Amino acid sequence: DPKIIQKPKYLVAVTGSEKILICEQYLGHNAMYWYRQSAKKPLEFMFSYSYQKLMDNQTASSRFQPQSSKKNHLDLQITALKPDDSATYFCASSPDTSGNTLYFGEGSRLIVV
Amino acid sequence: GDSVTQTEGLVTLTEGLPVMLNCTYQSTYSPFLFWYVQHLNEAPKLLLKSFTDNKRPEHQGFHATLHKSSSSFHLQKSSAQLSDSALYYCALSAGGSNAKLTFGKGTKLSVKS
Repeated sequence: DPKIIQKPKYLVAVTGSEKILICEQYLGHNAMYWYRQSAKKPLEFMFSYSYQKLMDNQTASSRFQPQSSKKNHLDLQITALKPDDSATYFCASSPDTSGNTLYFGEGSRLIVV
Repeated sequence: GDSVTQTEGLVTLTEGLPVMLNCTYQSTYSPFLFWYVQHLNEAPKLLLKSFTDNKRPEHQGFHATLHKSSSSFHLQKSSAQLSDSALYYCALSAGGSNAKLTFGKGTKLSVKS
């Protein structure tokens, strides 16, 4: 059974619309992350959270907003979608943020048309 | 900032031949190094992680040695198998309170019979 659940697995969105990518982890981890993978930039770090607090943000655009309602949830809201946002978005988690292994979810593949 | 440089692009090998994928890094700290493997349409999964005591990690026939003097963590296997065909990422974590993984651009390994 997958321990990191991402929803939806596939998503087609219209330019200018808003979508939320869901991530829940059942590994008991305290740190969660979002990464983006596209043909142009493989596995690009976006955000890291620890105990529901933002630790690092490497995403230039404010159109990307992480949301953590519970310790094991880290959703990603994307507004004003652009075709360049098309990518697979991976959620990941680790026990904490001190050099531990990251475990990845199966990804949400977003296509913006 | 931290960075990882890998053998870029596609590496094609014949089954049974040795595998070596290069990885060098730059970091202000003494980081942990990782190799992740990603098979087609799957999530990245941990293959190897460096040890702090200079032991050589091994998994599924793969091994890598952290050489701090040359800032390298090359991935090796004595005999490639068809099932090794995948995308391989080298990554580093600087540790501390914000230990996100910084990934290299990935090396695609294709093993042919």
